[in-house]
Amino acid sequence: GQQVMQIPQYQHVQEGEDFTTYCNSSTTLSNIQWYKQRPGGHPVFLIQLVKSGEVKKQKRLTFQFGEAKKNSSLHITATQTTDVGTYFCAGPGRGSTLGRLYFGRGTQLTVWP
Amino acid sequence: GAVVSQHPSRVICKSGTSVKIECRSLDFQATTMFWYRQFPKQSLMLMATSNEGSKATYEQGVEKDKFLINHASLTLSTLTVTSAHPEDSSFYICSARDLVQGTLNTEAFFGQGTRLTVV
Repeated sequence: GQQVMQIPQYQHVQEGEDFTTYCNSSTTLSNIQWYKQRPGGHPVFLIQLVKSGEVKKQKRLTFQFGEAKKNSSLHITATQTTDVGTYFCAGPGRGSTLGRLYFGRGTQLTVWP
Repeated sequence: GAVVSQHPSRVICKSGTSVKIECRSLDFQATTMFWYRQFPKQSLMLMATSNEGSKATYEQGVEKDKFLINHASLTLSTLTVTSAHPEDSSFYICSARDLVQGTLNTEAFFGQGTRLTVV
């Protein structure tokens, strides 16, 4: 299936430091979605980006969609312990796989108090 | 947001037995549901796409005879792990999207997941 690459796999930061995770696709994406999965929980939708170069903010979280619609990033400013979890990007399938979501491997964020 | 309920949350079964996992969309009609498998500290691997009233579409490498999927109604999809073996132990998660509204721009709602342990 379609692949969406995501780095880094792990990130350990001290509370108050910033955090960024990056997502890349070899093909142009019609949109990209971001999800957060808390330890022991299930993925929860955060946001969707659709337009080329789009930037969206949710409090301390900033999401960007690249101009070529092949990459995206999630940046968290001044992390808090509540930000702990795994952040996934997800891109839609194409053609016969339209409607499906393919997830990056995720970035597991640990925040030290 | 919409609610997807998955049951059971945990199950332990003996090797060779079958286990059924249910996924229900509680407040919208899910014409399409998706089944994922997640190994510890790894990503969500799409196993199959479940379409109401028709056969499921399986991803490459997923055994359709081992992972039986049934989507008999617009609110219920089931995954049955047949003749389970210890290597089938994993976290299985279903999700649903309201694809009637728009194929590409809808979020996925996830069930709580099922932790399967085969002993």
